[in-house]
Amino acid sequence: GQQLNQSPQSMFIQEGEDVSMNCTSSSIFNTWLWYKQDPGEGPVLLIALYKAGELTSNGRLTAQFGITRKDSFLNISASIPSDVGIYFCAGQSSHNDMRFGAGTRLTVKP
Amino acid sequence: SQTIHQWPATLVQPVGSPLSLECTVEGTSNPNLYWYRQAAGRGLQLLFYSVGIGQISSEVPQNLSASRPQDRQFILSSKKLLLSDSGFYLCAWDTGGTEAFFGQGTRLTVV
Repeated sequence: GQQLNQSPQSMFIQEGEDVSMNCTSSSIFNTWLWYKQDPGEGPVLLIALYKAGELTSNGRLTAQFGITRKDSFLNISASIPSDVGIYFCAGQSSHNDMRFGAGTRLTVKP
Repeated sequence: SQTIHQWPATLVQPVGSPLSLECTVEGTSNPNLYWYRQAAGRGLQLLFYSVGIGQISSEVPQNLSASRPQDRQFILSSKKLLLSDSGFYLCAWDTGGTEAFFGQGTRLTVV
């Protein structure tokens, strides 16, 4: 199946700093999604992207669907302690199944 | 509104015992249903997905099986658990071409 490469694996940042993470794939996806998972919980959707080149914001979060449809990035501006968690990218193909990246573990130091 | 229920939340089972995790969705019809496993500190691994009753696709050969006896019910099973089956199991649904919604997860510890 399609593989998603998500980087970085982990990030340790100071409160107030900006964060950037990305996902790449060797295959094309029709939808890119970004999720956040808190410890012991299921992932919760942050941003969904449906068109190549689409740039979408949700508060301090901004994500883009790459033009080639094989990549996406997520930026978090002015990080706060509650941004701590694991962030997953996910790509959905025409086969109606979703593939996830390995996750980026974010730690924010106050 | 749509909701997803997954149970139990935590489970401790001995090696060789059977397993049954259940997931139900409310408020939608004919959803795509998914089982994922998340090993400690790692990403999500797709185990099974289903596009309809009785239709199961398996992604990874393993000790687990899945069934979909009803439109909004998805069950993950094992006849004999292995230590390596420990992990955090997540059920999810979507309606095709849209974002997926996850259950709260089941933390399985095989001892």
